[in-house]
Amino acid sequence: GAGVSQSPRYKVAKRGQDVALRCDPISGHVSLFWYQQALGQGPEFLTYFQNEAQLDKSGLPSDRFFAERPEGSVSTLKIQRTQQEDSAVYLCASSLARGPSGTDTQYFGPGTRLTVL
Amino acid sequence: AQSVTQLDSQVPVFEEAPVELRCNYSSSVSVYLFWYVQYPNQGLQLLLKYLSGSTLVKGINGFEAEFNKSQTSFHLRKPSVHISDTAEYFCAVSFGGTSYGKLTFGQGTILTVHP
Repeated sequence: GAGVSQSPRYKVAKRGQDVALRCDPISGHVSLFWYQQALGQGPEFLTYFQNEAQLDKSGLPSDRFFAERPEGSVSTLKIQRTQQEDSAVYLCASSLARGPSGTDTQYFGPGTRLTVL
Repeated sequence: AQSVTQLDSQVPVFEEAPVELRCNYSSSVSVYLFWYVQYPNQGLQLLLKYLSGSTLVKGINGFEAEFNKSQTSFHLRKPSVHISDTAEYFCAVSFGGTSYGKLTFGQGTILTVHP
């Protein structure tokens, strides 16, 4: 079956440009997470959606980062006025979870590698 | 403070030898524990998870892990590794019952299996 897909797989942006990263979760998955993985580091949580509701955005590093999931399926992570420190792999994950338990497996996409020059 | 530490950034090992990848966490609330593997240019794949019950958890590809609450550890083991096990391994923790499952990851351990 289809897993989590992300596009583009690679994105090069000039400093100051806006970028949009797309995530297609597994069909029927209620929960959707975004993580940022800097080079040589583990992924770090950015934001969480339950259907279309953004319930946790505590990990977004600045107000330049914005995420949405308007119809409860596809999600977009937008970064405005990109900076060099935004260079990282952005991972999307989805799960069936409908509540706060934290026991459901998260299925990860292949990530989008963003390079800001 | 809640944190996850993987004690070894790189572990080299010969094929068919046993391996242990170490993970410790710090938490004042209940935890759920996960190990993920990441192959180059691929997403994270779940190896195994501990939610409750038996502290020895078996996963895919012959891996297992043991939850030790007193030592706040969740070390990953395999009795005999293969070349194909070469990858980066991440320990991850979900803290508490209201975190919606967001994961806190360790820094990763690169396992390199030599012939």
